[in-house]
Amino acid sequence: EIVLTQSPGTLSLSPGERATLSCRASQSVSNSYLAWYQQKPGQAPRLLIYGASSRATGIPDRLSGSGSGTDFTLTISRLEPEDFAVYYCQQYGRSPPKTFGQGTKLEI
Amino acid sequence: EVQLVESGGGLVQPGGSLRLSCVASGFTFSSYSMSWVRQAPEKGLEWISYISSSSNTIFYADSVRGRFTISRDNAKNSLYLQMNSLRAEDTAVYYCARVSGVYYSPEDYWGQGTLVTVSS
Repeated sequence: EIVLTQSPGTLSLSPGERATLSCRASQSVSNSYLAWYQQKPGQAPRLLIYGASSRATGIPDRLSGSGSGTDFTLTISRLEPEDFAVYYCQQYGRSPPKTFGQGTKLEI
Repeated sequence: EVQLVESGGGLVQPGGSLRLSCVASGFTFSSYSMSWVRQAPEKGLEWISYISSSSNTIFYADSVRGRFTISRDNAKNSLYLQMNSLRAEDTAVYYCARVSGVYYSPEDYWGQGTLVTVSS
């Protein structure tokens, strides 16, 4: 099973600033099968990024994903008030199980 | 618009059973694989099961294998999760989610979830 470790646990920033969230895998994630999700309180997760760097439908280009192998990053270039939430990375490789990181809380 | 609506959650005693349902609309349900993902209170996300579009391929997480059964009825646009031998640690919000492609694809649409509480 691939274990994903996200850092930091909590990130305190202000609107307009740049956010950098990290996701490290315990072994290489094949074909960059790595996704990022956003979850707000009381809501379901929302897919942001898949294939490590492809934006899902409707996701603004302020959000970008990068990385390969075992190290991945989600960057939000200019934080908007609606970006403050919890972010999870997920690996969805060919062999189950799919696994999630423990989450990074992005707070004001 | 893609919609997934879960139901069937509630309070159940340890050792008991519960059947969750998820009704899909806004897309051709029979063409998509589906997953169940759960989230314990104040905790992170845990993938627990996957079923292919034709039910030919099914996977489970170790934490639920042998106790939970995933199934679907494409004629009714419905996904199910039969949960037996429930434990306190199964307490969570259970989400159904559409898988965007084959198994090794992300979950691209999620329902709002249904809460399962296992307690005496």
